[in-house]
Amino acid sequence: AQTVTQSQPEMSVQEAETVTLSCTYDTSESDYYLFWYKQPPSRQMILVIRQEAYKQQNATENRFSVNFQKAAKSFSLKISDSQLGDAAMYFCAYRRRGGGADGLTFGKGTHLIIQP
Amino acid sequence: DAGITQSPRHKVTETGTPVTLRCHQTENHRYMYWYRQDPGHGLRLIHYSYGVKDTDKGEVSDGYSVSRSKTEDFLLTLESATSSQTSVYFCAISESPQNLRGELFFGEGSRLTVL
Repeated sequence: AQTVTQSQPEMSVQEAETVTLSCTYDTSESDYYLFWYKQPPSRQMILVIRQEAYKQQNATENRFSVNFQKAAKSFSLKISDSQLGDAAMYFCAYRRRGGGADGLTFGKGTHLIIQP
Repeated sequence: DAGITQSPRHKVTETGTPVTLRCHQTENHRYMYWYRQDPGHGLRLIHYSYGVKDTDKGEVSDGYSVSRSKTEDFLLTLESATSSQTSVYFCAISESPQNLRGELFFGEGSRLTVL
């Protein structure tokens, strides 16, 4: 079974600074997706960024970027120029690609606090 | 935003009573999921459906049943609610896993409190 581990239950960063959230995963598959979801106090699950395992290039979405290390099974999220609106729970998630109806396997989440 | 509606959004019930949560989608996606979210556990899969009347168990399925009689509706039933089932429940939908993006789209969640 796949597992996703987020080792930082909580992180704090000053507004406008850069923060990196860590995620490691375990799988025997070679083709899969990785995601970061954001959950603000509204409780809505919002997709921040996605990475396809067969792509070597790290995904970026504006101020959000990932460092995908496939051999190390590591998938960290970097948030640049942190803003107050970035304060939320962040979940790393894995999904096997191809076949079946597998959903996402989530990590336990990292609570990100933005200090003004 | 994906058209996913969960109802009810909030419910308080007593131990031993039956509870049904409904997920309705307007996206005609084949796959539907029920997750529960608890502090310190992230989101965990309860049940999922890969078509009308086709369902399967997830990681934490004990005490839950599901039904899907139409593409757009996926029901989660707690036959006899217990306090350990107090949680926030999320419905999610997805196109085929073979699609190019692989992401799940989530409803807004239903908070259930079992007293």
